[in-house]
Amino acid sequence: DAEITQSPRHKITETGRQVTLACHQTWNHNNMFWYRQDLGHGLRLIHYSYGVQDTNKGEVSDGYSVSRSNTEDLPLTLESAASSQTSVYFCASSAEKGLYNEQFFGPGTRLTVL
Amino acid sequence: GENVEQHPSTLSVQEGDSAVIKCTYSDSASNYFPWYKQELGKRPQLIIDIRSNVGEKKDQRIAVTLNKTAKHFSLHITETQPEDSAVYFCAASTGTGGFKTIFGAGTRLFVKA
Repeated sequence: DAEITQSPRHKITETGRQVTLACHQTWNHNNMFWYRQDLGHGLRLIHYSYGVQDTNKGEVSDGYSVSRSNTEDLPLTLESAASSQTSVYFCASSAEKGLYNEQFFGPGTRLTVL
Repeated sequence: GENVEQHPSTLSVQEGDSAVIKCTYSDSASNYFPWYKQELGKRPQLIIDIRSNVGEKKDQRIAVTLNKTAKHFSLHITETQPEDSAVYFCAASTGTGGFKTIFGAGTRLFVKA
């Protein structure tokens, strides 16, 4: 069955370290998204991509970067981790830009920055 | 900037009662309004959605209403059951020309047996 996966599921790192969170989907979806979830803030969009080589900044993109070299993967990189980036990160995908399509979420990655 | 406000942040109801969650959005170009349910420790999952050319949509015990003039939309759950206990997120997006989705802060619903 097609799915969307994230790894690692839990990560503890230190301030200043570079961290990469993986997201992989097997639906062949063009659209992929990264969100962070914090209490009281819901899901906030970090970056998104509408296809290979396309990336866009979301509302909370500072300190994060993404790259899209193939359809299946959208890794999220924290260039220099900060304690404020401690959060639960969700990756999501949807089928087509321009259509009313459901976003399918991955299981999430809990990141702790000490 | 674009914003979605959601109320209440917490809602407690007795089993069998109805629950209503309300959202307002700021971007008049928004034309797609999904609702996601997130159980504890799980991923958000779509439960119902509505497009801007529709005023109301029902699916069994859940319904959504949309007032485009007032930029309001609401989720109604009737005959609540303990398994309805979860966090519910409303969202707004422009389904055409882009797919950036803005989520509300969430409502934690408790259904007491």
